[in-house]
Amino acid sequence: GENVEQHPSTLSVQEGDSAVIKCTYSDSASNYFPWYKQELGKRPQLIIDIRSNVGEKKDQRIAVTLNKTAKHFSLHITETQPEDSAVYFCAPNFGNEKLTFGTGTRLTIIP
Amino acid sequence: ETGVTQSPTHLIKTRGQQVTLRCSSQSGHNTVSWYQQALGQGPQFIFQYYREEENGRGNFPPRFSGLQFPNYSSELNVNALELDDSALYLCASSPGLAGSGEQFFGPGTRLTVL
Repeated sequence: GENVEQHPSTLSVQEGDSAVIKCTYSDSASNYFPWYKQELGKRPQLIIDIRSNVGEKKDQRIAVTLNKTAKHFSLHITETQPEDSAVYFCAPNFGNEKLTFGTGTRLTIIP
Repeated sequence: ETGVTQSPTHLIKTRGQQVTLRCSSQSGHNTVSWYQQALGQGPQFIFQYYREEENGRGNFPPRFSGLQFPNYSSELNVNALELDDSALYLCASSPGLAGSGEQFFGPGTRLTVL
């Protein structure tokens, strides 16, 4: 079946330090790999995505790396700020037309 | 903001009742997906509609049903409500078939079943 795992489930980082969240998926047919940020009581918001023909993508302080052979992709946040505190979800597709969300990682930035 | 709206914001129902949740997609978006997000969990895919036809369904019973209309609005209907149906219900629209590009989420409807 379709399996998506995120690690760690919680992460506390000192402000200014980097945070890395890893997402492991089971289906090699996946070709779209987004990361969503969800603040308390708000909607999920796409922060970065990558497609299967690209190994890395960066947008200012946020980057995503993809390892298709090992079936994982990671979210990297550098120079973390208090407003980065939220729950982060990976949501790969499985070669079909839906996204399968991971269980989430609660990121807390310590001022 | 994403331009996707949902109504109502909150809703309280009792077990056994029926509920209809509404979503208005971005203009021009042919695809709408519905998700159920239980407290502390990630969104779970319920189903997707593309050009008014169901185009994929998750692991939800038939008492969860939907409709999509030509005016970019859609509905999620749930019959015979159960306590476990209490959750945040999110709709997400996209310009083409979802799963290969960004989905734009609405703010959600929080359903409480007593």
